[in-house]
Amino acid sequence: DAGVIQSPRHEVTEMGQEVTLRCKPISGHNSLFWYRQTMMRGLELLIYFNNNVPIDDSGMPEDRFSAKMPNASFSTLKIQPSEPRDSAVYFCASSLDRVQSPLHFGNGTRLTVT
Amino acid sequence: DQQVKQNSPSLSVQEGRISILNCDYTNSMFDYFLWYKKYPAEGPTFLISISSIKDKNEDGRFTVFLNKSAKHLSLHIVPSQPGDSAVYFCAAIDSGAGSYQLTFGKGTKLSVIP
Repeated sequence: DAGVIQSPRHEVTEMGQEVTLRCKPISGHNSLFWYRQTMMRGLELLIYFNNNVPIDDSGMPEDRFSAKMPNASFSTLKIQPSEPRDSAVYFCASSLDRVQSPLHFGNGTRLTVT
Repeated sequence: DQQVKQNSPSLSVQEGRISILNCDYTNSMFDYFLWYKKYPAEGPTFLISISSIKDKNEDGRFTVFLNKSAKHLSLHIVPSQPGDSAVYFCAAIDSGAGSYQLTFGKGTKLSVIP
């Protein structure tokens, strides 16, 4: 199993540009999570999908952030327009929808907005 | 309001000795707890978990202890090895909330000195 695959690994962009982060979850997992890691706030949950449906997006910072999951094998997190304070590492994780099933994380996308 | 707290940002231990990482939580509804380990430039990986119906769970060199009355859990690594050097995240789930979202602490960086 290739695990959770995220792309790109690194993204450097200028303020105001659109940024799209991509995630392929582990096959068969029906829950997908987007997390953001910063020094100040640690790992924060942005949005959670179950069976491709957004369940909780209360962690999405503002309307500039949007996430989609068009099918069971692909999800995107989009920031438009990007701002320097969005600089962070963004992780995607997937799991089976039960407590005993731990999250499997991708290796993250390091976003730098200048 | 941080519901899961890891008050020690870092810890240094000699190889072969015991490492003890601590975690406190405030939400009494949390009923499942996990520890994740993270190497630089990688995503967190699941290490060990414990249900609130137990007070101890052991897996090889790793043992997690849960004290529900104190809302405290700890991860013991015995003996510590240089390869254990990583950031360790404590996480908690309220399984009655209708989803299995993890709430993470900010992490403790463990350095095992050869």
